[in-house]
Amino acid sequence: QKEVEQDPGPLSVPEGAIVSLNCTYSNSAFQYFMWYRQYSRKGPELLMYTYSSGNKEDGRFTAQVDKSSKYISLFIRDSQPSDSATYLCAVTSRGEYNFNKFYFGSGTKLNVKP
Amino acid sequence: ETGVTQTPRHLVMGMTNKKSLKCEQHLGHNAMYWYKQSAKKPLELMFVYNFKEQTENNSVPSRFSPECPNSSHLFLHLHTLQPEDSALYLCASSQVFRGKAGNTIYFGEGSWLTVV
Repeated sequence: QKEVEQDPGPLSVPEGAIVSLNCTYSNSAFQYFMWYRQYSRKGPELLMYTYSSGNKEDGRFTAQVDKSSKYISLFIRDSQPSDSATYLCAVTSRGEYNFNKFYFGSGTKLNVKP
Repeated sequence: ETGVTQTPRHLVMGMTNKKSLKCEQHLGHNAMYWYKQSAKKPLELMFVYNFKEQTENNSVPSRFSPECPNSSHLFLHLHTLQPEDSALYLCASSQVFRGKAGNTIYFGEGSWLTVV
């Protein structure tokens, strides 16, 4: 079983829509959760980072973690064409288990149509 | 400069060439990574360095040779590569604090490698 599973999409939405991107993970030891945005031919850019369960909001972006179901989500409100990119989720734990290991989803490609 | 910078951004090399990718991080981190990203594949971890010491080699072929002279610089030396090695090579860094791994990782823009 992979540590992180993510639907590759592509996901196509009209401008202004609310986008929901999701990942599931396998190990309850993971405590830190990240979302990256990657534009074509560029490196992944850290968008959001959360610790443990709950929500974190930053502008139009909300990251949500449900540790009981090992499910993480990224919501984008009022989506814009400039949000068109591939979104990767990542998880890690800071303990001795899997030291310095970050596990990434395969990425979901999002297309926001004008 | 801020963040993680990689050079060159694009590289085309023949299978008999020797070239190097360079990475420098300006974040004060002490762990550095090389990842490979091929089309339609997830990120593949290649190497990890903590405090200049290699702590992870993810069964990478010997035609890829990393070097970490200090906590801020990382190189990937390339020789006798194969066309299937064509990919985006990403450098990243994170902070190890009090013996515990960092909770976030930051990437450079990547080096696009084409092997002909």
